[in-house]
Amino acid sequence: GAVVSQHPSWVICKSGTSVKIECRSLDFQATTMFWYRQFPKQSLMLMATSNEGSKATYEQGVEKDKFLINHASLTLSTLTVTSAHPEDSSFYICSARVQLSSYNEQFFGPGTRLTVL
Amino acid sequence: GDSVTQMEGPVTLSEEACLTINCTYTATGYPSLFWYVQYPGEGLQLLLKATKADDKGSNKGFEATYRKETTSFHLEKGSVQVSDSAVYFCALFGFGNEKLTFGTGTRLTIIP
Repeated sequence: GAVVSQHPSWVICKSGTSVKIECRSLDFQATTMFWYRQFPKQSLMLMATSNEGSKATYEQGVEKDKFLINHASLTLSTLTVTSAHPEDSSFYICSARVQLSSYNEQFFGPGTRLTVL
Repeated sequence: GDSVTQMEGPVTLSEEACLTINCTYTATGYPSLFWYVQYPGEGLQLLLKATKADDKGSNKGFEATYRKETTSFHLEKGSVQVSDSAVYFCALFGFGNEKLTFGTGTRLTIIP
């Protein structure tokens, strides 16, 4: 099946620094990618929807200047957490949507665990 | 808005036991329903899906039936294996908002 990779798988950074997370679709082209955030024992919360070549659409309550999303190609989307603070510590998961015959399916990356000290 | 409520875990069962993980939903219209599974260290994988009422999704011995009257999509397996140990997420795709909405996930551990 289709594979989505994320890099890094985990990162520890100091408060105030910025962190970039990459999401790649390895064997397919994804016109739409999604970024989710997952707190311990909680649901995946959609942060934003990213379409190749256009600005991301952010969910209500997600700061677009805090979480910068770039979808520069059909196989790569990046999430940059700017001026990270401890409350940004979380598990970030990306997903890529592809159209298969009669329906769309989303494939998920393995996630990136961010810890801000 | 759309929401998914699923059985809280963790759930621990012995090998060959029967499994049921409950999932109910709230949505406008007729969503598609999914179960995803996340094995340790891996991304979410689609386990099964159902796109309309009374549809039964099945895969790897797991089944779930789309029950419109009870707004449920419970996951079942007759005989679990150690390799089924994972976190299971119920989700719906709302055609109104074109997005996946997830439940909180249920961690399942199968002991030999």
